[in-house]
Amino acid sequence: GAVVSQHPSWVICKSGTSVKIECRSLDFQATTMFWYRQFPKQSLMLMATSNEGSKATYEQGVEKDKFLINHASLTLSTLTVTSAHPEDSSFYICSARTGQQPQHFGDGTRLSIL
Amino acid sequence: GDSVTQMEGPVTLSEEAFLTINCTYTATGYPSLFWYVQYPGEGLQLLLKATKADDKGSNKGFEATYRKETTSFHLEKGSVQVSDSAVYFCALSDKGNTPLVFGKGTRLSVIA
Repeated sequence: GAVVSQHPSWVICKSGTSVKIECRSLDFQATTMFWYRQFPKQSLMLMATSNEGSKATYEQGVEKDKFLINHASLTLSTLTVTSAHPEDSSFYICSARTGQQPQHFGDGTRLSIL
Repeated sequence: GDSVTQMEGPVTLSEEAFLTINCTYTATGYPSLFWYVQYPGEGLQLLLKATKADDKGSNKGFEATYRKETTSFHLEKGSVQVSDSAVYFCALSDKGNTPLVFGKGTRLSVIA
């Protein structure tokens, strides 16, 4: 089946650091990738949608300068949390899709900012 | 806009009990419907899906039927196991290129 790899799975860093999370589709070309944020015991909140080669579309309330998304190829998208602060601590999950096929999810990245 | 409402959890069941997790949706068109499962500390896995009315999705003993008349997609399993303990998310996608809209999730705990 379709596999989406997300890296790293867990990162702890100091406040003010920028953190990059990678999302790769391993066995298919992802025309669209999505980034979600999940708070403890809550549902997934869509942050942004990115199509290969174009700028990401951010959901209302998500700071595009804070959460930089790059979708440089059909198999890779990155989310960079710039100047991270404790309130950015969360579980970030990416998903990828080709055409109108179902979305496939990565295993998530747990980000802890001290 | 589109939305998904699923029953509040947590749900605690004994092993081999029958499971139902209710899910209803609101959508302008004819969406595709999904159930995803999230095991502790992991991302989401697609459990089953249905793309049109009266379709039944099934996988690993779980089933859900797309009911257009009641706008529902309830998840059922006849006999749950401890390994089914997870959070279950109902979701819809209204058009092919739109992102999934998720319900709030239902946490299931199965005890031996």
